[in-house]
Amino acid sequence: DADVTQTPRNRITKTGKRIMLECSQTKGHDRMYWYRQDPGLGLRLIYYSFDVKDINKGEISDGYSVSRQAQAKFSLSLESAIPNQTALYFCATSAGPISYNEQFFGPGTRLTVL
Amino acid sequence: EDQVTQSPEALRLQEGESSSLNCSYTVSGLRGLFWYRQDPGKGPEFLFTLYSAGEEKEKERLKATLTKKESFLHITAPKPEDSATYLCAVGAQGGSEKLVFGKGTKLTVNP
Repeated sequence: DADVTQTPRNRITKTGKRIMLECSQTKGHDRMYWYRQDPGLGLRLIYYSFDVKDINKGEISDGYSVSRQAQAKFSLSLESAIPNQTALYFCATSAGPISYNEQFFGPGTRLTVL
Repeated sequence: EDQVTQSPEALRLQEGESSSLNCSYTVSGLRGLFWYRQDPGKGPEFLFTLYSAGEEKEKERLKATLTKKESFLHITAPKPEDSATYLCAVGAQGGSEKLVFGKGTKLTVNP
């Protein structure tokens, strides 16, 4: 079984709809991350969490919110989706600070906002 | 501003034709330089971490090297299964979660 799983894998929605992307991990890591990937751009950090009571904004958090329901679960929400949020979204975990520790990525969710 | 530039954007090789991918970086204090492999429709998969200039790491046909300004990912006698996008990321001082990704190099190895 995969260490980091994401649901759904693909989602098409309309402008203004609320969307939730879910991530679960069996790595036992405290640190979890949400990224988006756009063609021609590098991965960009949206939010990260060190534990259920510690949520931090990343580089591009506007328009997004997150919830850390348990050590193993980290959800990303788009309160009112807009077309420029169409992207590939990845969840990741790490055993320590990502500036010098490897990350383990999920398979991604492809989100299309019409 | 911290920056990571990967070149070339795309590279086509024949099976067995060795080559190198480049990752140039400008950061305020290097904490770690990472190489990841990403297959279509999948998440990035960790390959290497390098921490200081002069360091080298190898895995099968891949060898990563690091200088004070750039890193190279050398691919020796590549096979079609090495086809993927290779991502470089640099961890910088200024926060434990400060990590800058490059845009990647898409490698295609033809049989």
